[in-house]
Amino acid sequence: GNSVTQMEGPVTLSEEAFLTINCTYTATGYPSLFWYVQYPGEGLQLLLKATKADDKGSNKGFEATYRKETTSFHLEKGSVQVSDSAVYFCALRGSNAGKSTFGDGTTLTVKP
Amino acid sequence: EAGVVQSPRYKIIEKKQPVAFWCNPISGHNTLYWYRQNLGQGPELLIRYENEEAVDDSQLPKDRFSAERLKGVDSTLKIQPAELGDSAVYLCASSLEGRGIQETQYFGPGTRLLVL
Repeated sequence: GNSVTQMEGPVTLSEEAFLTINCTYTATGYPSLFWYVQYPGEGLQLLLKATKADDKGSNKGFEATYRKETTSFHLEKGSVQVSDSAVYFCALRGSNAGKSTFGDGTTLTVKP
Repeated sequence: EAGVVQSPRYKIIEKKQPVAFWCNPISGHNTLYWYRQNLGQGPELLIRYENEEAVDDSQLPKDRFSAERLKGVDSTLKIQPAELGDSAVYLCASSLEGRGIQETQYFGPGTRLLVL
């Protein structure tokens, strides 16, 4: 079955530092890949997505590239802010639609 | 446009009591999902509806959990009786799915359940 493995947290960075959160996946076919963000006390919000190999998703300074050869979808941001502190989830949806499969989340804390 | 609405936001009950959660999806979305998110983990699907039909309920513990989406719009998820291990956040999501089209799932804020 499908699975997603995320870099374990928590991750603590200083403001303006470079962020990478690793995500690798196992799936049959050609899944779509997603990053969701969950702020304290809130629901999941879609951060970015990519639907085919070599696509780059981007939003709010975050980027991730769909790498089929390494089955990865690592999240990056060049300069994090305190307001980026949240839990980040990598997820995939199979090519036949249906449910999303999530990683266990990575908690990011950005200190001033 | 309103997002996915869930109620209640928080619920505290004693074990063996029943509990129900309600979800109203984004207007026009034909597909509705219930997920459970345990502390420190990602969400896991409980049941997926396409319109009124439950098309994937393989992970729903049917001895105590039930769900319905009678008119293909809003949905209710019920637990009876609740157990201590049911403490979690219950997330509802919706999307518009069509032939050959896979759209984004939008999530509600969730219902945080604590079973004592």
